[in-house]
Amino acid sequence: GQNIDQPTEMTATEGAIVQINCTYQTSGFNGLFWYQQHAGEAPTFLSYNVLDGLEEKGRFSSFLSRSKGYSYLLLKELQMKDSASYLCAVVNSNYQLIWGAGTKLIIKP
Amino acid sequence: IAGITQAPTSQILAAGRRMTLRCTQDMRHNAMYWYRQDLGLGLRLIHYSNTAGTTGKGEVPDGYSVSRANTDDFPLTLASAVPSQTSVYFCASSAGENTGELFFGEGSRLTVL
Repeated sequence: GQNIDQPTEMTATEGAIVQINCTYQTSGFNGLFWYQQHAGEAPTFLSYNVLDGLEEKGRFSSFLSRSKGYSYLLLKELQMKDSASYLCAVVNSNYQLIWGAGTKLIIKP
Repeated sequence: IAGITQAPTSQILAAGRRMTLRCTQDMRHNAMYWYRQDLGLGLRLIHYSNTAGTTGKGEVPDGYSVSRANTDDFPLTLASAVPSQTSVYFCASSAGENTGELFFGEGSRLTVL
């Protein structure tokens, strides 16, 4: 089967750095997305990786290793507003989007 | 620009009743999707439409139907609601059919008693 694994919950301190990991086993690969979802709200797009390496966008960076079936989302200079769930999703060879269950990130002062 | 509008935002429904969740987008996107989101699970695709006039089944289509009469509207119908359909439903759209960035509506929280 196809599977996306992410930690269920993580806790970090305001101002710190946190890395959220995502590992995947899918039938083929055509890209990986990260979305942010605040409680009670819709998911919003954060990043897209299709080639290996690091993509940086302000305080957020996303890394991909296709050979390892692995990605991470790195959040720097954490702010209280970063408290949210972070969803990893992979596009497989049939261009289907396979979603992880999400990682709930709790930021403490 | 509204993006994607869903209605209702919340609904409590008796089992056996028919219910239609409405979804309208103003971005002229070709592809539209309906997902359900349940605690501890990833988003699961119910139905999708790559372009007006066409629809397809997703991962969990049973008990649901959709139509795509025009580009903007993509309603989801539960013909006879059951308690297992209690969930948060998200409508989404993307410019292309091969799963580019998705834009989501605010969600419809449905409770079936």
